[in-house]
Amino acid sequence: KAGVTQTPRYLIKTRGQQVTLSCSPISGHRSVSWYQQTPGQGLQFLFEYFSETQRNKGNFPGRFSGRQFSNSRSEMNVSTLELGDSALYLCASSLGGTGAYEQYFGPGTRLTVT
Amino acid sequence: AQTVTQSQPEMSVQEAETVTLSCTYDTSESDYYLFWYKQPPSRQMILVIRQEAYKQQNATENRFSVNFQKAAKSFSLKISDSQLGDAAMYFCAYRRTYSGGSNYKLTFGKGTLLTVNP
Repeated sequence: KAGVTQTPRYLIKTRGQQVTLSCSPISGHRSVSWYQQTPGQGLQFLFEYFSETQRNKGNFPGRFSGRQFSNSRSEMNVSTLELGDSALYLCASSLGGTGAYEQYFGPGTRLTVT
Repeated sequence: AQTVTQSQPEMSVQEAETVTLSCTYDTSESDYYLFWYKQPPSRQMILVIRQEAYKQQNATENRFSVNFQKAAKSFSLKISDSQLGDAAMYFCAYRRTYSGGSNYKLTFGKGTLLTVNP
């Protein structure tokens, strides 16, 4: 079974631009979560989607948004990019039901804002 | 809010030796899940081991085992017979149990960088 895929793997953007990152979960998984990883703040939860609905949201400004499609693929969008948005963005998929369902991570998208 | 603390920013171990990584957490919940994830230089986050808080028995996965002390809110990872491929950043993570939809957030510690010396 194919793992979680994220595209693109690397991205360089300029301050003020916007960016869209994509995540394809493991087949059959309905939950997709997004995390931001930086050296200073570590791993921080952005949001989680299940069956096209946002179920949980972390403490990030409204410039960070996301969505999930009917095939469970998810996108996250960051508008008006700031230098501090430079980070590794990780996507994780899970079955999404009750129970201790593990989250499986993708390889990440490395975003650099200049 | 739940917090996870890893007090050892870096650890090193000789190949074939045993090493223990520490993790403490703070929560008011009685039921939850704890995880150890490994992130090698490739940056791919890999699940190492999982522990359900309601289970008293410590989880074990091959050379990896945990020491779960619920009252002390401690969750350490022991790696036996360390191998060069074990070198990575290790993250301890906490997750609430299902409670109606807002439970899939993982709260991570800052990580412990493990070096394995040949």
